[in-house]
Amino acid sequence: AQKITQTQPGMFVQEKEAVTLDCTYDTSDQSYGLFWYKQPSSGEMIFLIYQGSYDEQNATEGRYSLNFQKARKSANLVISASQLGDSAMYFCAMREEGTALIFGKGTTLSVSS
Amino acid sequence: DTGVSQNPRHKITKRGQNVTFRCDPISEHNRLYWYRQTLGQGPEFLTYFQNEAQLEKSRLLSDRFSAERPKGSFSTLEIQRTEQGDSAMYLCASNNNQGIGDTQYFGPGTRLTVL
Repeated sequence: AQKITQTQPGMFVQEKEAVTLDCTYDTSDQSYGLFWYKQPSSGEMIFLIYQGSYDEQNATEGRYSLNFQKARKSANLVISASQLGDSAMYFCAMREEGTALIFGKGTTLSVSS
Repeated sequence: DTGVSQNPRHKITKRGQNVTFRCDPISEHNRLYWYRQTLGQGPEFLTYFQNEAQLEKSRLLSDRFSAERPKGSFSTLEIQRTEQGDSAMYLCASNNNQGIGDTQYFGPGTRLTVL
């Protein structure tokens, strides 16, 4: 069964606007971690933000925040004030106890001026 | 503090040839991971090492694939008798296993094209 689902193949946003990238996950574990990575066209995976299943507060890192809704099993990434350099693929990933990272299929974000 | 490095960045080979990729992790990291990413997909786990011990291998890692981390520092991934289906980006990541939230830091990847 697919563990990470990213339903938006592509998203388009204008500079300075906020954008939400969707991610839902499936697990029966109580302890797990959720990650977002950015992959520019150069190919390197860049870590953005992490949310633990027991964290009560939504994670924030600069312009990135994670909208964590545990009951709905969703972990959406919110990028505020988009910049041209935000254009890239974005991957949601999950790690359960003792397992490797499992990635979704990604969402391509295009930011225009 | 240098990041994860991978060499070569690109490799073009003919079907049936053997190829070897190298990954140098962040120096203080004891865990090293290999992933494969095909076009339009997220990375898929292949295998990982803790120091020099290979602790887990995915079913994706066929017997044509072998990975080593002989001194617990750099790692190599070898593919024997390459097939066109092996064409992909091979990504390496490293971290210290301090818990479920310990972030994996990725290298730039090696893009393999099998003709």
